[in-house]
Amino acid sequence: AQSVTQLGSHVSVSEGALVLLRCNYSSSVPPYLFWYVQYPNQGLQLLLKYTSAATLVKGINGFEAEFKKSETSFHLTKPSAHMSDAAEYFCAVNTWRGGSNYKLTFGKGTLLTVNP
Amino acid sequence: DGGITQSPKYLFRKEGQNVTLSCEQNLNHDAMYWYRQDPGQGLRLIYYSQIVNDFQKGDIAEGYSVSREKKESFPLTVTSAQKNPTAFYLCASSMTPGQGVYEQYFGPGTRLTVT
Repeated sequence: AQSVTQLGSHVSVSEGALVLLRCNYSSSVPPYLFWYVQYPNQGLQLLLKYTSAATLVKGINGFEAEFKKSETSFHLTKPSAHMSDAAEYFCAVNTWRGGSNYKLTFGKGTLLTVNP
Repeated sequence: DGGITQSPKYLFRKEGQNVTLSCEQNLNHDAMYWYRQDPGQGLRLIYYSQIVNDFQKGDIAEGYSVSREKKESFPLTVTSAQKNPTAFYLCASSMTPGQGVYEQYFGPGTRLTVT
C-alpha cells in the first residue's frame, strides 16, 4: 500500500524567507513522487516529479525537492518566498509496477501563507 | 492549446436531483480520473478510466457514476444517492504508464453546491 503524509496543514513564512514543506511517504517499492500546487478555486498544477533519476529535483517557479530514501521523505523547498507562492501544495505518490492500478495517492495538502 | 476543460465552473442543484459534470481533454491521453476535494481532506479518487468503454471505482465511488464512450470525454454523474455531494470536483488525465509513471494533468474544477 502507498500513502503520503504532509506535516503541517498550514505554513506561514515572510516574503524572502525559506519555504520548507514536508512530505513523507510510505511504500514497499521505490516510489514515484510528485508535488502539485493549487491556487484558490483552480485545478492542480505540477511543480516537479521524482522518477528515480536524480534525487534532487528542480521544478517550476524556483522550487526544488530532494528524495531521501533513508528518511522516506520528499520535502519541497524554495530559497526565497514570494507573495505569489501563496497557495495550497499537495504531495502525491505512486508505486506502480505494472498492472492496472496506477492511481496517485495525495496528501491532505499544506496551505502556504506568505506575509509581506 | 492542449488541456482539460470542465464545465460549468459553478453548479447549483436541489437535493434529490442527479447532476452531470463535464470533462473533456484534447491531450490524447488514454487515462482519465475524477477526484473530489473537500477542505482539509486532500484529493480523493472517485473513478478512473484507462481506456474507452472501461472504468474502475476509486476510493469513494458510492453515489457516483461515469461513462467513457469517447477518448476525449469522461463525464461524472452525481446521483441523489450521494449523501454529501457539495464539494469541488476535479478531472484529470494522464498517459498510460509504460516506461514509468506519468504525471496527471488537471482541469480547472467544478464547484457543486447542493441545497
